[in-house]
Amino acid sequence: TAGITQAPTSQILAAGRSMTLRCTQDMRHNAMYWYRQDLGLGLRLIHYSNTAGTTGKGEVPDGYSVSRANTDDFPLTLASAVPSQTSVYFCASSDSGTRGNEQFFGPGTRLTVL
Amino acid sequence: AQSVTQPDIHITVSEGASLELRCNYSYGATPYLFWYVQSPGQGLQLLLKYFSGDTLVQGIKGFEAEFKRSQSSFNLRKPSVHWSDAAEYFCAVVPRGSARQLTFGSGTQLTVLP
Repeated sequence: TAGITQAPTSQILAAGRSMTLRCTQDMRHNAMYWYRQDLGLGLRLIHYSNTAGTTGKGEVPDGYSVSRANTDDFPLTLASAVPSQTSVYFCASSDSGTRGNEQFFGPGTRLTVL
Repeated sequence: AQSVTQPDIHITVSEGASLELRCNYSYGATPYLFWYVQSPGQGLQLLLKYFSGDTLVQGIKGFEAEFKRSQSSFNLRKPSVHWSDAAEYFCAVVPRGSARQLTFGSGTQLTVLP
């Protein structure tokens, strides 16, 4: 079982360009999440989706959008990238109906915006 | 305000020495508690979790954590550290109730000396 896959592994992007980070899970989890990780700040929630067809804003949603057309995929889009969006992005999923809502993480995408 | 705090940004221990990483939380009701580990360039892996019951929780890789309600703490311990334990460690919480979002501490970087 692959679990959660993310693509690309890393990317350098010019400011002002758009980009979509891909995330796919094969665990049939209903909930999915996007986090960004920055030094000294831990992981911060960008957007989440409790079930296919619904999305919600996390702690730092500005400049990002998501969609959840089906259970397995949860792409994150940067419409017009800015240097402050340089970060490592992690996708996660969970069966939110389980006690404690344990989340499983992908390997991450390292994004550099110049 | 609700928060989770890891007071130590960086800890250095010698191989074979014992380890304790601190985590404190500030929530009205005891949240669900987790410890994750992130090896360099990798995603996050769950070490252990506490939901209720026995306050001493055993995890993978020889780690354990003790929940202390009176101190609002969930410290991670290992009796004898191995060089492969060098990584970043994150404490995380999920509030009990409807929100169920995972909130991370800022992380503790562990260096292991030979």
